[in-house]
Amino acid sequence: KQEVTQIPAALSVPEGENLVLNCSFTDSAIYNLQWFRQDPGKGLTSLLLIQSSQREQTSGRLNASLDKSSGRSTLYIAASQPGDSATYLCAVTGTASKLTFGTGTRLQVTL
Amino acid sequence: EAQVTQNPRYLITVTGKKLTVTCSQNMNHEYMSWYRQDPGLGLRQIYYSMNVEVTDKGDVPEGYKVSRKEKRNFPLILESPSPNQTSLYFCATHGRPGPISQETQYFGPGTRLLVL
Repeated sequence: KQEVTQIPAALSVPEGENLVLNCSFTDSAIYNLQWFRQDPGKGLTSLLLIQSSQREQTSGRLNASLDKSSGRSTLYIAASQPGDSATYLCAVTGTASKLTFGTGTRLQVTL
Repeated sequence: EAQVTQNPRYLITVTGKKLTVTCSQNMNHEYMSWYRQDPGLGLRQIYYSMNVEVTDKGDVPEGYKVSRKEKRNFPLILESPSPNQTSLYFCATHGRPGPISQETQYFGPGTRLLVL
């Protein structure tokens, strides 16, 4: 059974810092890995999708990497801003398009 | 505008009183699913549907029912709610064609349910 773990569970950084969020998964038989953002009271927004054949994806200040063989992914956020404060979820897609989620990293960017 | 809508957004009910949470999407997507989110457990899949009249169990289907009579709608039914079904529920959808590896899923805003 696929298990996804995210470290750290919570993180507080001052504005402007670069930061890395970690995600690991136990079964490398995945179709893709996605990073989502969740704001309080709102749904999930997809940030980046890395196909299983890819090593990384970039969108603006976000860069996500995938090492499928070791079961790891990182989300790098450059020059963090208070608006980046949210919970970040990592999820892998398996059979029948099922997403298996980690429990998330709650990020607080302070002024 | 691509949208996944859920109703109601908030619901307080009592044990045993049947309820339905609706989910509707305007993207003509084949695939729809329901997840519940609980502290410390993350999001877990309840049921999913690959297309009209095709549904299957996810990881935590006990106590729930679904139906898929139309492509756009995928209601979640709690026949006899219990307090352990208190949770935040999300509907999700994505479409084809394209390989699974390229799929990203769209989520509704969530329904917060409290069962007393």
